[in-house]
Formats: sequence, C-alpha cells, structure tokens
Amino acid sequence: GDSVTQMEGPVTLSEEAFLTINCTYTATGYPSLFWYVQYPGEGLQLLLKATKADDKGSNKGFEATYRKETTSFHLEKGSVQVSDSAVYFCALSGANSKLTFGKGITLSVRP
Amino acid sequence: NAGVTQTPKFQVLKTGQSMTLQCAQDMNHEYMSWYRQDPGMGLRLIHYSVGAGITDQGEVPNGYNVSRSTTEDFPLRLLSAAPSQTSVYFCASSYGININTEAFFGQGTRLTVV
Repeated sequence: GDSVTQMEGPVTLSEEAFLTINCTYTATGYPSLFWYVQYPGEGLQLLLKATKADDKGSNKGFEATYRKETTSFHLEKGSVQVSDSAVYFCALSGANSKLTFGKGITLSVRP
Repeated sequence: NAGVTQTPKFQVLKTGQSMTLQCAQDMNHEYMSWYRQDPGMGLRLIHYSVGAGITDQGEVPNGYNVSRSTTEDFPLRLLSAAPSQTSVYFCASSYGININTEAFFGQGTRLTVV
C-alpha cells in the first residue's frame, strides 16, 4: 500500500538557517504530494502541493519538488524564522484519493 | 468563515463511557474524514465519507462509529472508551475525492481516557 517516510526529528535550527526536511514515498500510479504544517494548538493546514512529476510547490518561502525518479518530495527553505516553528507532515494522495501521512517532524527555530 | 469546526476541544472520559465528537463544515464539501494523531505515528484515518449517507472504514476503525446524515455534519462516536483511544482527533473535509484536492482540518479534540 501507499506509504510516506519522513526523516527522524526533532530538528532545531537557529534563525536564518537553511532548512531541509526529507520525505520519500511509495505509491502505485501517480500520486499527488503535499506538505502540511501544524502550528502549536492548531489543526493541520496545507503548506504546498505538487500534482505531477517535476512540479515545484512553493508557499511562504518553502519549496518542494516532486521527484519521481527518486520518489521524493523534500521540503526546503532558505532562511527559517522563529514563526516557522511547527510540526511538518509530508503526505500523498494516491489512486484511492485518501491522504496518507508521514509521522511528522517537529521544527524548533531559536532566535 | 468558520471552515471545519470540532467540539469539544478537550474531553476526559472514564473507561467504558461513550461519547460523540462533533464535526461540522460550512464549505459544502462532499468528502469528510476523521483521523487520530498519536506521538510518532502521524495521522491515521479512522473513517471517511464521500457524501451524505455514505461512510466507509479507514485504517483504524475499531471502536468507532460514524454517520453522515447531512453534508455539513460528520460525528464520530466512541461506543465504549478505552485507554488506547487516548489521542488527538482531527476532522477534515475537502471538496471532492480528486487526488489533487486540499483537505481542510479542524483544530482537533484532545481526548483522554482514564
């Protein structure tokens, strides 16, 4: 079945540092890929998405590129801010249209 | 614009008690779903509905019931609460079941079963 694997956390960075959060997936067919973010005490909200190979999703300075050859969708940001502290989930929507989530990773950004 | 509204936000139950977690959306979304979030496990799908009158099981359905009598509401019932059901529960909705569609989440219900 479909699955999503995220790098182990938590991750702690200093403000303005470069961020990479790895995500790889297993799915049949051609899934859509998503990054969701969960700020403290809130529900998940969509950060960005990509619906086909080589698409790049971007939002709020975050980017991720759909790499079919490596089955990856790594999240990057050039300069993180304290306000980016949150839990980040990689997810896919496959042939059955259900969302499958990774375990999530907690990012803490120090001033 | 309310979006997806879950009630209550917090709940403590004793083992064996029953309760209903409420979920309502005002976006006329066809697709609604319930997830539970546990440390180190991500989100796991409990039940989902593709429209009024239609429900189906997800990955972890045991111990939970759902119904969908209207487009707006999708309550989750715990029949006889167990400590293993201590978790944070999220309701989500989306416009359809197209794989590209964004899901909108409620703020969650933190349930503790003692």
